[in-house]
Amino acid sequence: GENVEQHPSTLSVQEGDSAVIKCTYSDSASNYFPWYKQELGKGPQLIIDIRSNVGEKKDQRIAVTLNKTAKHFSLHITETQPEDSAVYFCAASHTGNEKLTFGTGTRLTIIP
Amino acid sequence: DAGITQSPRHKVTETGTPVTLRCHQTENHRYMYWYRQDPGHGLRLIHYSYGVKDTDKGEVSDGYSVSRSKTEDFLLTLESATSSQTSVYFCATGTSGGGGNEQFFGPGTRLTVL
Repeated sequence: GENVEQHPSTLSVQEGDSAVIKCTYSDSASNYFPWYKQELGKGPQLIIDIRSNVGEKKDQRIAVTLNKTAKHFSLHITETQPEDSAVYFCAASHTGNEKLTFGTGTRLTIIP
Repeated sequence: DAGITQSPRHKVTETGTPVTLRCHQTENHRYMYWYRQDPGHGLRLIHYSYGVKDTDKGEVSDGYSVSRSKTEDFLLTLESATSSQTSVYFCATGTSGGGGNEQFFGPGTRLTVL
């Protein structure tokens, strides 16, 4: 089955700086890669996703890049703000698979 | 997660007792999932359902069973709770399979087994 590794497990950045979280996956058939944000005491919520037919996708301060050859994808957050502090999860799946495989999460702390 | 509720939100129980967690959705989504979240392990799939009375196992299904008699309700049962099942449990729904579609998560249930 699919295996998703996520790094780092914790990340602290100064407010206004950029943050990068990286994930690798094992199943070359995977073609859907979502990122979820989990705030304290809440369930995860989708913030951005990318499919294997594109290499990069942006949504305001958030971007995701995908390298299919190397089987890794990354989340980039620019101009970080205190409300970006949360746990972030990457995941992978492929068409026809009802399940998502999640990474182990990254706790991002924004230092004011 | 406005359309997904979980009950109870917190529960403390003793080893060996049965426990049932309930997930209720108002989104009419076909797919429903139960995950557990533990430090260092992220979100791990316990069981999922792809329709009424249609369920399948996830990666950590031992010690758990599920039932789905109505589209809106998905029950997770621990037949005889153990301390290793102390965790935060999340229910999620989806309009179709995980391959390319968003999953929507409930607020979670914190279960402590003493």
